[in-house]
Amino acid sequence: SQTIHQWPATLVQPVGSPLSLECTVEGTSNPNLYWYRQAAGRGLQLLFYSIGIDQISSEVPQNLSASRPQDRQFILSSKKLLLSDSGFYLCAWGDGTVNTEAFFGQGTRLTVV
Amino acid sequence: AQKITQTQPGMFVQEKEAVTLDCTYDTSDPSYGLFWYKQPSSGEMIFLIYQGSYDQQNATEGRYSLNFQKARKSANLVISASQLGDSAMYFCAMRENTGFQKLVFGTGTRLLVSP
Repeated sequence: SQTIHQWPATLVQPVGSPLSLECTVEGTSNPNLYWYRQAAGRGLQLLFYSIGIDQISSEVPQNLSASRPQDRQFILSSKKLLLSDSGFYLCAWGDGTVNTEAFFGQGTRLTVV
Repeated sequence: AQKITQTQPGMFVQEKEAVTLDCTYDTSDPSYGLFWYKQPSSGEMIFLIYQGSYDQQNATEGRYSLNFQKARKSANLVISASQLGDSAMYFCAMRENTGFQKLVFGTGTRLLVSP
């Protein structure tokens, strides 16, 4: 069966420090991959999505970037964190068909101090 | 561009009663899918129900049903016989069948079930 792993679960980082969040999927190949951010008590904002290795689209221009070095690995990065980067980050995967749900990781709660 | 709107920031319901959570959407793609997710305080995203744009029948999954009105572009979630464990955030989402099939979410509705 398919599983999605996301880590770390929580992270406290100082302003200006770098960031790397990793997400991996098992049990499927060529998944569509997504990164979302959720501010406290708010909805899910789509940050990046990818349909294949090195095929990444950005929804919101900002100081975050994403990479997909392997088929089932999706990484969210920043060179210098801002206070406004705090939030709950969720990785998700889908099989590329319109009628199947996306499956989410457990999320990373990032606090920038 | 695809868009999802949830106009109810919060809803209250008494245990054992039914509640409807509203969702409207906008898309120019004739083929799309609509999804509802539940997010308890733990943060995990739990898939509840799916409705396809070409489905003739409203989707149902246990106590969850989707009131799909295509002409009005609405896909409201109905929870019957509410339970205390239904207290959570609920998100409506849509995926178009074109392009990269982005999955876009609404802002969510916080449901509180009281005894």
